Amino acid sequence: DSGVTQTPKHLITATGQRVTLRCSPRSGDLSVYWYQQSLDQGLQFLIQYYNGEERAKGNILERFSAQQFPDLHSELNLSSLELGDSALYFCASSSYPGAAEAFFGQGTRLTVV
Amino acid sequence: TQLLEQSPQFLSIQEGENLTVYCNSSSVFSSLQWYRQEPGEGPVLLVTVVTGGEVKKLKRLTFQFGDARKDSSLHITAAQPGDTGLYLCAGKVVGSGGSNYKLTFGKGTLLTVNP
Repeated sequence: DSGVTQTPKHLITATGQRVTLRCSPRSGDLSVYWYQQSLDQGLQFLIQYYNGEERAKGNILERFSAQQFPDLHSELNLSSLELGDSALYFCASSSYPGAAEAFFGQGTRLTVV
Repeated sequence: TQLLEQSPQFLSIQEGENLTVYCNSSSVFSSLQWYRQEPGEGPVLLVTVVTGGEVKKLKRLTFQFGDARKDSSLHITAAQPGDTGLYLCAGKVVGSGGSNYKLTFGKGTLLTVNP
């Protein structure tokens, strides 16, 4: 158990809909990362937050947004969903933004039908 | 273009065999990690290497960081079925600003160890 909690574990929704994925980091970790994993692209970095502020941005679509709340949990919002958004979404946390290591949650499997 | 190239992409071996998987880049990394991921689960951190030429051992697994900090290898001795999984390397490129915070992953080597 990494200590990172993600909910829900599975999500099935229709195209055009909006969903919210939730992540609670390890106790004491201030930095949260979001990744998308698909078979052809591997693990793709989406965005990172540290203590409530955005620190780094990757290949995140404009239809996607995220935030980190004062209690340090984070949410990833995916809107106007397309079939191609079906993937595993992982949250990871680390103690600070430059930390070498990140600890991953078990992921949310999103299926868009 | 993938920043971290892992090879081979797939590897299927018999129990008891030895194997080596590779992680290569043209960029210099401040640190490099190896993770193992099982189906439906998140990646689990195995090791972090930070010094060029560093070698770390974790039971039957030996990790090496290249002298120039651009590549790494993972060697497994006497593989067991429990070693089956997706092995991912990841690292932070030496740089400045926000890019230094980004942990970049290779696509992984999918290892199957048959009993």
